[in-house]
Amino acid sequence: EDKVVQSPLSLVVHEGDTVTLNCSYEVTNFRSLLWYKQEKKAPTFLFMLTSSGIEKKSGRLSSILDKKELFSILNITATQTGDSAVYLCAVGNNAGNMLTFGGGTRLMVKP
Amino acid sequence: DAGVIQSPRHEVTEMGQEVTLRCKPISGHNSLFWYRQTMMRGLELLIYFNNNVPIDDSGMPEDRFSAKMPNASFSTLKIQPSEPRDSAVYFCASSPGPPTGKLFFGSGTQLSVL
Repeated sequence: EDKVVQSPLSLVVHEGDTVTLNCSYEVTNFRSLLWYKQEKKAPTFLFMLTSSGIEKKSGRLSSILDKKELFSILNITATQTGDSAVYLCAVGNNAGNMLTFGGGTRLMVKP
Repeated sequence: DAGVIQSPRHEVTEMGQEVTLRCKPISGHNSLFWYRQTMMRGLELLIYFNNNVPIDDSGMPEDRFSAKMPNASFSTLKIQPSEPRDSAVYFCASSPGPPTGKLFFGSGTQLSVL
């Protein structure tokens, strides 16, 4: 059974801080790892990673995958209050099955 | 594009009643997913359709849950009879590509069973 573990469970920082969120996984025939941001309602897509060592970047957010050590990190620099959300990590396999989500990291950014 | 559309946004019902949740996926997406989210269990996949055909329903909790996709633009998730432990946010998501690609989520239905 595929498994995704995220840490920390929750995090409180102040605006301007840099945060690193972790996602470790166990999956048979890994295909992809995705990061989502969930504020009040629907999760919204951030990144999809399929190859090790290639950083994906979007503004202050970046993510990288390590397929040897089976983990990914999501970095947010110069955090803002609008970054407050639950960040979800999900993995998919080549068996044609669906995404397995981790439990999420709840980030709160204080002014 | 309007995105994935779910209705109703909120549903409050009494135990034993039938509940029907509705979803309209993004036009052109051939994969549709129903997820349930609770504080205790996070996001759980209930069922996955590809080209309107149910592919994997192993996440459906029990026989009280059923899902249909009569055409490419509409799906329903039905709970009959509903129980308080079914209270959760139910998300529908669609995807244009392989099932392990990017998902587009609807705004969810907040279900409360009293």
